[in-house]
Amino acid sequence: GQQLNQSPQSMFIQEGEDVSMNCTSSSIFNTWLWYKQEPGEGPVLLIALYKAGELTSNGRLTAQFGITRKDSFLNISASIPSDVGIYFCAGQFGGNNRLAFGKGNQVVVIP
Amino acid sequence: DTGVSQDPRHKITKRGQNVTFRCDPISEHNRLYWYRQTLGQGPEFLTYFQNEAQLEKSRLLSDRFSAERPKGSFSTLEIQRTEQGDSAMYLCASSQGLGAFFGQGTRLTVV
Repeated sequence: GQQLNQSPQSMFIQEGEDVSMNCTSSSIFNTWLWYKQEPGEGPVLLIALYKAGELTSNGRLTAQFGITRKDSFLNISASIPSDVGIYFCAGQFGGNNRLAFGKGNQVVVIP
Repeated sequence: DTGVSQDPRHKITKRGQNVTFRCDPISEHNRLYWYRQTLGQGPEFLTYFQNEAQLEKSRLLSDRFSAERPKGSFSTLEIQRTEQGDSAMYLCASSQGLGAFFGQGTRLTVV
């Protein structure tokens, strides 16, 4: 089945620093999505990417859809304490298809 | 609130009992997904509806699991003869196009 690899698994960063996380896949996808999940809650959609090479920003978040369609990265700039959470990447081959998720990157922001 | 709504938020049940969860998607969304998430993992796909038609089921969905979306609006997920291994967060998501929006989940604990 489809498997998405996220690295690193956890990150401890100082408040104000930038943080980047990566997601790779053995399969190609037509859509890449980044979600944030906090304890006891469902994942919240942060950014959706629809075209290979696309670079999209949402506030302090920037994500890119890799040219090969097998990878994506998410960058958080000037981290703040409320950025704490688990960030998941998800790939989707088409609108009628399931989302395949990675295992997540846990981000801890140290004040 | 116009987001995806799940009920109940938490359920504790004894092994062998049946449980049913409900999901109300975003009203104009025709696609509805069920996912399961265990600790330290990303959401794993269970099943998917387009309107009232169940189009895809994962191998994770054993014969003890059944999902319905009778009128193409809300959906129910039933687990019969629950086992301890069924303990997880059950997530519902809805979509009108690419990507998906998740509810807050139902946390099931089987004791």
